[in-house]
Amino acid sequence: GENVEQHPSTLSVQEGDSAVIKCTYSDSASNYFPWYKQELGKRPQLIIDIRSNVGEKKDQRIAVTLNKTAKHFSLHITETQPEDSAVYFCAASDTGTASKLTFGTGTRLQVTL
Amino acid sequence: SQTIHQWPATLVQPVGSPLSLECTVEGTSNPNLYWYRQAAGRGLQLLFYSVGIGQISSEVPQNLSASRPQDRQFILSSKKLLLSDSGFYLCAWRLAGGGYTFGSGTRLTVV
Repeated sequence: GENVEQHPSTLSVQEGDSAVIKCTYSDSASNYFPWYKQELGKRPQLIIDIRSNVGEKKDQRIAVTLNKTAKHFSLHITETQPEDSAVYFCAASDTGTASKLTFGTGTRLQVTL
Repeated sequence: SQTIHQWPATLVQPVGSPLSLECTVEGTSNPNLYWYRQAAGRGLQLLFYSVGIGQISSEVPQNLSASRPQDRQFILSSKKLLLSDSGFYLCAWRLAGGGYTFGSGTRLTVV
């Protein structure tokens, strides 16, 4: 089955700096890669996703890049703000009928003033 | 629009007691449904998933079971809870095209 590794486990940045979180996956059949943000005590919320036919996707201050050859993908947050502080999870799956998301172990991002 | 409901929000149960958590989806038909568990400060572990009524796949053999009696209803059960069953239980459904949306979760504490 799929295995997703995520680094770093914790990340502290100053407000306004950029943050980068990296993930690798093992199953070459995976073609869908979402990123979730989870605030304390809340459900994970989808913030951005990318499919294997695209190398990069941006949404305002958030971008995701995908390298299918190397089987890794990254989340980039620019101009970080205190409200970006949360746990971020990457995930991977195929998009078949019985697809299932496999999550990374999470990165706790702390944006300091 | 599609919505997902999950209840209860919190639950404190004694060891050995039964469990029933329910999840329902509105605004779609024949969704893929999932149960995930998150231990405190940890990642998300897939427990069960279902692609249709009565079709349940188990990812982790354990003290829990799942059922899908109706198209948009997914139930997580246990006959006898263990301390290790404590955690944050999340139901999810898959949007057309691959996106997954989570319910608000049930925080279960087994005492």
